[in-house]
Amino acid sequence: NAGVTQTPKFRVLKTGQSMTLLCAQDMNHEYMYWYRQDPGMGLRLIHYSVGEGTTAKGEVPDGYNVSRLKKQNFLLGLESAAPSQTSVYFCASSGDRGLGANVLTFGAGSRLTVL
Amino acid sequence: GQSLEQPSEVTAVEGAIVQINCTYQTSGFYGLSWYQQHDGGAPTFLSYNALDGLEETGRFSSFLSRSDSYGYLLLQELQMKDSASYFCAVRDHRASDYKLSFGAGTTVTVRA
Repeated sequence: NAGVTQTPKFRVLKTGQSMTLLCAQDMNHEYMYWYRQDPGMGLRLIHYSVGEGTTAKGEVPDGYNVSRLKKQNFLLGLESAAPSQTSVYFCASSGDRGLGANVLTFGAGSRLTVL
Repeated sequence: GQSLEQPSEVTAVEGAIVQINCTYQTSGFYGLSWYQQHDGGAPTFLSYNALDGLEETGRFSSFLSRSDSYGYLLLQELQMKDSASYFCAVRDHRASDYKLSFGAGTTVTVRA
């Protein structure tokens, strides 16, 4: 009963490097989200997906790309990392209607440092 | 877009009652929810209000007034383990836009 699993948990990058964060959920949820959390700024939505093969921009999408090729996986990519992308990244998933759409299950987070 | 405001910090003693207010602005309101986060760990769902009124879940209650664009989370009989950050969140239901946006969070510190 894993819920939402994020890999890796920690990563240090140099400016300009690229990387991909993987999110996997086993609850058959339609919706998946990527948030970043910085001190004093709460959770800010980067990108989200309302179903397999679909993605949409959130509040802070610049510098990130996503893909949802399979329903259970949601990938977040950084093509050319910048120090401003140092943050904790949370993936979440939810159902697609009623209360289920408002109950997000979060992963444990991925802590990324860009030097 | 959406914006949410909540206090940044609240401190209280064990056994006390704390109320965390949340005011929001959104063009297509579809419910107010609350999440708890301990020490930077995974946020966890606490409660959800789609209609006006009070929802009670054990020591925690959540209230919503849609006409005032306002809600609150009430923590009763505070315990040390309630020290955490609490976030309100709103979903904007416009066409196919199902984004869930969060407030900046309220850090609750419970003192002995």
